[in-house]
Amino acid sequence: DSGVTQTPKHLITATGQRVTLRCSPRSGDLSVYWYQQSLDQGLQFLIQYYNGEERAKGNILERFSAQQFPDLHSELNLSSLELGDSALYFCASSDRDIYNEQFFGPGTRLTVL
Amino acid sequence: SQKIEQNSEALNIQEGKTATLTCNYTNYSPAYLQWYRQDPGRGPVFLLLIRENEKEKRKERLKVTFDTTLKQSLFHITASQPADSATYLCALDIVAGNTGKLIFGQGTTLQVKP
Repeated sequence: DSGVTQTPKHLITATGQRVTLRCSPRSGDLSVYWYQQSLDQGLQFLIQYYNGEERAKGNILERFSAQQFPDLHSELNLSSLELGDSALYFCASSDRDIYNEQFFGPGTRLTVL
Repeated sequence: SQKIEQNSEALNIQEGKTATLTCNYTNYSPAYLQWYRQDPGRGPVFLLLIRENEKEKRKERLKVTFDTTLKQSLFHITASQPADSATYLCALDIVAGNTGKLIFGQGTTLQVKP
């Protein structure tokens, strides 16, 4: 158990809908990272927050947004969902903003029908 | 273009042998390189981190080498066990200013047969 929690575990929704994925980092970790993993793309970095501020961006679509709250939990919002958004979404946390190992949560499996 | 390449074919070895996995990259200058293990349907688990000025790092049965001239890292598991069967991901730690992000390879699946 990495100490990172993610909810929900599974999410099934329809195209065009909006969903929110939630992540609670390990106690004391200030950085939260979001990743998308699909069979054809592998593990893709989406975005990083450090102590409430956006720190780095990867291949995140404009339809996706995230935030980190004062209690350090983070939410990833996915809107106008498309079939291709079906994937595993992982959250990871670390105690620093760079040069660090990351602890991954169990993931949220999103299925868009 | 920037690429990270790991052998996409599964690596099948006999229990007790040494497994060697390769990670090659082009057009990146990583400060660190990390290796993770991922079991089906689960999140990656950190294994080892090696800095650009380190040639080799060990942890129990695991060994990682990092050659920045060849742009290659090798990951070794000695005395492999069936429980080592999983997908292994290499990740480049790309730092720019005060931001850093991990860029993952596609992973190599290792099967250790008893």
